[in-house]
Amino acid sequence: QQQVKQSPQSLIVQKGGISIINCAYENTAFDYFPWYQQFPGKGPALLIAIRPDVSEKKEGRFTISFNKSAKQFSLHIMDSQPGDSATYFCAANPAGGTSYGKLTFGQGTILTVHP
Amino acid sequence: DAGVTQSPTHLIKTRGQQVTLRCSPKSGHDTVSWYQQALGQGPQFIFQYYEEEERQRGNFPDRFSGHQFPNYSSELNVNALLLGDSALYLCASSLVISGRAAIEQFFGPGTRLTVL
Repeated sequence: QQQVKQSPQSLIVQKGGISIINCAYENTAFDYFPWYQQFPGKGPALLIAIRPDVSEKKEGRFTISFNKSAKQFSLHIMDSQPGDSATYFCAANPAGGTSYGKLTFGQGTILTVHP
Repeated sequence: DAGVTQSPTHLIKTRGQQVTLRCSPKSGHDTVSWYQQALGQGPQFIFQYYEEEERQRGNFPDRFSGHQFPNYSSELNVNALLLGDSALYLCASSLVISGRAAIEQFFGPGTRLTVL
């Protein structure tokens, strides 16, 4: 059962544009929502993460928007660059207890930024 | 500061064989989690090791087993390989703080397993 749904599957953006990737979750026990970036042949690298007590978090060109009532969160990449071309994964982590650290990932979005 | 390392990089096996993958966590980390990433999919949690014990497990059969050593490094073993076991196997490390695994997980480059 997929608990985190990610869209779109692929995204093409022109250099300088805004890339937007969306995720929706079902499990209200999730309390930590990271985004990972993965280049071909590499492991996922943490980009930015948010907790449900804030609605937005910004780090450089990357912003997470979080809507707790809708159980949705999104990644915005401002001023997208060709070097941002990669696969992006949203993920969610359950709160507390021994389940902590058990990340559930979305299906991934392949981002292509054209120069 | 060494990050998470995994070996081997690539591996080719045939159905029915057994395989062992290895992981060394990031310096200072004591918890290791293993994930399976099929082509075009997001990683799926296999299990997590802390203090040389399996703390939690995902929805994977008993053919998947692991071990953690006193130096925090870990092994993933898969028995009776199936074609469907072909995937990128990722190791992630983190640090337990006050009895809970820290949120931030650092991933290694993975081991690409191909089962023929």
